[in-house]
Amino acid sequence: AQSVTQLGSHVSVSEGALVLLRCNYSSSVPPYLFWYVQYPNQGLQLLLKYTSAATLVKGINGFEAEFKKSETSFHLTKPSAHMSDAAEYFCAVRGGTDSWGKFQFGAGTQVVVTP
Amino acid sequence: NAGVTQTPKFQVLKTGQSMTLQCAQDMNHEYMSWYRQDPGMGLRLIHYSVGAGITDQGEVPNGYNVSRSTTEDFPLRLLSAAPSQTSVYFCASSPLRANTEAFFGQGTRLTVV
Repeated sequence: AQSVTQLGSHVSVSEGALVLLRCNYSSSVPPYLFWYVQYPNQGLQLLLKYTSAATLVKGINGFEAEFKKSETSFHLTKPSAHMSDAAEYFCAVRGGTDSWGKFQFGAGTQVVVTP
Repeated sequence: NAGVTQTPKFQVLKTGQSMTLQCAQDMNHEYMSWYRQDPGMGLRLIHYSVGAGITDQGEVPNGYNVSRSTTEDFPLRLLSAAPSQTSVYFCASSPLRANTEAFFGQGTRLTVV
C-alpha cells in the first residue's frame, strides 16, 4: 500500500520569502508523484509531476520539486512567494503494484502569504 | 476542449432525499473517479472506474452508488442523503497509465440539512 504525508496543515510565508512545502511518501515500488494547487472554490490544478525522467522537476508559476528516493520525499519549493500563491496544495502519489494505479492524496497544506 | 464537467455546482438536500451528481469528460480517459473533500482530510476516494462497465469501491463508498455505461460519463448517486455527506465532491479523470496526472472538475458543493 502507498501513502502520502504532508508536514504542516498550514504554512504562513511573507511575500518574497521562500515557500517550502514538505511531502513524504511510502510505496512498495517506485511511484509517480504529483503536486496540485487548489484556489478557493475551484478544482485541483496540476503544478508539476515526477515521472522518473529527472529528479528536479519544474512546474508552473515558478514552483519546482525534487524527488529524493533515499529520503522518500518530494518537497515543493518556490524561491519568492507572491500574494497569488495563497492556496491549498496537495501532494499525490500514483503507482504501486498496478500498472495504472489509483491516486493517493495527502491531507493538504494551506498557504497564507502575508504582505 | 471542456475537460471534466460537473453539475450541479451547488446543491442543498434534505435528509433522506436522493440525487445524482453528474460528471462528464471529453478526453477519452479510461479512468474516472469521485472524491469528497472535507477540511483537514484531503481528498478521499469514494468510487472509481477503469472503463465502461467496470467500477469499484474506494475508501469511503457507503451511501453512494456509481455506474459507468459510457467512457464519457460517471454519475455519482446519493441513495438517501445524510448530514454526514455534506461535503465538496470532485470528479477526476485520467488515462490508465500511472505516469499521467488526473484532471479535475470544478466540484459540487453539497449541503444536507
